[in-house]
Amino acid sequence: DAGVIQSPRHEVTEMGQEVTLRCKPISGHNSLFWYRQTMMRGLELLIYFNNNVPIDDSGMPEDRFSAKMPNASFSTLKIQPSEPRDSAVYFCASTDVRTFLKGYGYTFGSGTRLTVV
Amino acid sequence: KQEVTQIPAALSVPEGENLVLNCSFTDSAIYNLQWFRQDPGKGLTSLLLIQSSQREQTSGRLNASLDKSSGRSTLYIAASQPGDSATYLCAVRNAGNMLTFGGGTRLMVKP
Repeated sequence: DAGVIQSPRHEVTEMGQEVTLRCKPISGHNSLFWYRQTMMRGLELLIYFNNNVPIDDSGMPEDRFSAKMPNASFSTLKIQPSEPRDSAVYFCASTDVRTFLKGYGYTFGSGTRLTVV
Repeated sequence: KQEVTQIPAALSVPEGENLVLNCSFTDSAIYNLQWFRQDPGKGLTSLLLIQSSQREQTSGRLNASLDKSSGRSTLYIAASQPGDSATYLCAVRNAGNMLTFGGGTRLMVKP
């Protein structure tokens, strides 16, 4: 398996522009998570999905952020309009019960480094 | 609300030393605890996963222990090498599938 795949790896955009981050989870995993990592706040959970349904979005900073999971193999995190304080590394992770039973836990993607200027 | 703390925040040791990284959590009702490694500018690599019913897990030079009742876990690294230099993160899973992360320990192993 290719693991959790995120795109783009790097994104530089101007303040006010729309940004879309993409994630392809590991095939067969039924839970998907979006995290944001900054030096000041560490890793924060933004939202997670079980079976394509959003379960908890209490970590989404504000209405400018939205996430979708139209099918089991694809999710997007959108920021509109983007602001400089959104600059961070955004990680996607996936898992399911079977990975825990096998001792593997969560698998993270390589992240998208977002810079808003 | 679960809070996870890692001590120390940074650690520098000479090559060959054995070392211990600490992780504590406030809510002991966890399903499992996972240790990750993160290299600069990279993603997270899973090292060890300990289920709540387990006391420890081992992989090579790494050994992770879990004391759920006291809300503590340790990651023991034997015979440290420069290649072990990275940030080590612990994360706990409570109800649902949510992971709560600690702030990490930044480890530097000097040749």
